Amino acid sequence: QLQLQESGPGLVKLSETLSLTCTVSGGSISSSDYYWAAIRQPPGKGLEWVGSIFYTGNTYYNPSLRGRVTISVHTSKNQFSLRLSSVTAADTAIYYCARVSRGGSRAFDVWGQGTVVIVSS
Amino acid sequence: QSGLTQPASVSGSPGQSITISCTGTSSDVGGYNYVSWYQVHPGQAPKLIIYYLTNRPSGVSPRFSGSKSGNTASLTISGLQAEDEADYYCSSYTSTSTPYVFGTGTKVTVL
Repeated sequence: QLQLQESGPGLVKLSETLSLTCTVSGGSISSSDYYWAAIRQPPGKGLEWVGSIFYTGNTYYNPSLRGRVTISVHTSKNQFSLRLSSVTAADTAIYYCARVSRGGSRAFDVWGQGTVVIVSS
Repeated sequence: QSGLTQPASVSGSPGQSITISCTGTSSDVGGYNYVSWYQVHPGQAPKLIIYYLTNRPSGVSPRFSGSKSGNTASLTISGLQAEDEADYYCSSYTSTSTPYVFGTGTKVTVL
């Protein structure tokens, strides 16, 4: 069964860069049927799609974060990673990795457990 | 791209049916059947419970069902159970520069 696991520092200083890695196990990140996504949930707020990547490296980002977000894929390690630069308190959130179906459903069908990232001064 | 609009809270007694609405626009909910619903229990990862408007993943209770009318999608939970108490989010594919948008979230309380 495919699983996703997020990893990275739980604390990031104001104006620095947030870096997270999502490791895929039980399946291949190089599947042509899926994209891989980063989604976040700020405290007390709803879910927000951050961006998605295909195994070929094609990326799609939330325009509200454009210029600050970079998602890259590392097929040899079965991982993808998120970098968010110039963080502010508004970037404090639970960050999730998820798999999204490319064709039939466009749904986020597998999620990681999430990792809490706090932006501190 | 604004989030899809959901009621902040919905409640019901055990055994009752409740419906959660998810209102968007013709660029998202109204234009596609790529509407999905997620259940989020405190401290847990979101769980997909409905995809492509009306379909349930394997293992999801048939008490959960989805539908759509115009720009509004709905999730109905029949035979409400204590374990259904959670937050629920809708999501839709969109034709805008933000390909995926989530709803504002609904807290379901079982009385």
